[in-house]
Amino acid sequence: GAGVSQSPSNKVTEKGKDVELRCDPISGHTALYWYRQRLGQGLEFLIYFQGNSAPDKSGLPSDRFSAERTGESVSTLTIQRTQQEDSAVYLCASSSGGVADSYEQYFGPGTRLTVT
Amino acid sequence: GQNIDQPTEMTATEGAIVQINCTYQTSGFNGLFWYQQHAGEAPTFLSYNVLDGLEEKGRFSSFLSRSKGYSYLLLKELQMKDSAPYLCAVRFFGAGSYQLTFGKGTKLSVIP
Repeated sequence: GAGVSQSPSNKVTEKGKDVELRCDPISGHTALYWYRQRLGQGLEFLIYFQGNSAPDKSGLPSDRFSAERTGESVSTLTIQRTQQEDSAVYLCASSSGGVADSYEQYFGPGTRLTVT
Repeated sequence: GQNIDQPTEMTATEGAIVQINCTYQTSGFNGLFWYQQHAGEAPTFLSYNVLDGLEEKGRFSSFLSRSKGYSYLLLKELQMKDSAPYLCAVRFFGAGSYQLTFGKGTKLSVIP
């Protein structure tokens, strides 16, 4: 079936605006992750959803960031009052098991966010 | 947070063998992944190690030493298409939860 998809692929927004990024995981994958990758940097964990458990939000950099997931399907990452330092590629990944398992994470193509 | 160290860049010749090293702090270690990430694309899974030793998968092999906090990715019979950043990611368990921490990646350039 289809892989992980993300939309939009590119987003340019003005400082102070809110943005919403979408992730469609692979069907049947119970775990979903959001990462941020700034230019020249490694992947930075943001948030992790596993089934119906409470999400692990320990990587969210500030209260301007939030994410939701509907059941075991679509997830949205919302950034309020965007700042220039929020400019990055936002990657979503899903896996068939939880983070404690050996299951590999399948990544989406990412959303490139540019805050002007 | 946990520090994952890997070289920033490496260059190797087509047809040769290259070894990309990754070191990490051993506390809470619970598995290590290698990913390849071509420019503008999503990372793709290469290997997973949780026990000491070598895991071989075609031209790619990955080694782990838990006591030393050390892993390497070995690429044999290099091809031009292997030019890409390679990401080392380590899963740690701490404060009641697991988390995957990525290194900054090693940019491999394969030259003729």
